[in-house]
Amino acid sequence: DTEVTQTPKHLVMGMTNKKSLKCEQHMGHRAMYWYKQKAKKPPELMFVYSYEKLSINESVPSRFSPECPNSSLLNLHLHALQPEDSALYLCASSQGLRGPDMNTEAFFGQGTRLTVV
Amino acid sequence: GEDVEQSLFLSVREGDSSVINCTYTDSSSTYLYWYKQEPGAGLQLLTYIFSNMDMKQDQRLTVLLNKKDKHLSLRIADTQTGDSAIYFCAESMFSGGYNKLIFGAGTRLAVHP
Repeated sequence: DTEVTQTPKHLVMGMTNKKSLKCEQHMGHRAMYWYKQKAKKPPELMFVYSYEKLSINESVPSRFSPECPNSSLLNLHLHALQPEDSALYLCASSQGLRGPDMNTEAFFGQGTRLTVV
Repeated sequence: GEDVEQSLFLSVREGDSSVINCTYTDSSSTYLYWYKQEPGAGLQLLTYIFSNMDMKQDQRLTVLLNKKDKHLSLRIADTQTGDSAIYFCAESMFSGGYNKLIFGAGTRLAVHP
């Protein structure tokens, strides 16, 4: 099983709404990631969790709040977003991060298509 | 700096071979990856190569790595219409004690009859 499951697949929210994106994997991976992908652009790293601790925050605005309740789950809480935050949000997982020779083979979910109106 | 470059578009005839090229900048990258993205979908890992290898073959896919020139290529043999997608190369960068992936801009492959 190399599946990373993201819900919902599509989300439309207003600028005053609070919503959450969810991601789940059962591969025993201890690193989980959130990426943002705008149309016709490559994915851009937002956050990395390693062993349920936030390891990387790529200077993401505080209106995006990640949470890792356990090693299988990753959430992204959204509040007071702007229309320019509309994008495909991708979750990924891999075995782990530590060590320069460690393969960071990452498996991606299908993404949540977010539209902020 | 961190930079991965790819040509943006490639058009091939069905049955021909496709070659997608990529250059990267970080000579310390230990793994390099190829991902495929179909419209509206997530990224599918196609293959990867460790930096001490020159070539890796996996069914219709052949990856060539020229570490001296920091050049990576993906060859798809007998290209089919189902191969039409965007292909991203990515390098693994060890930074701040953690590995992270840096993606190229993606190459859109169009396969025509």
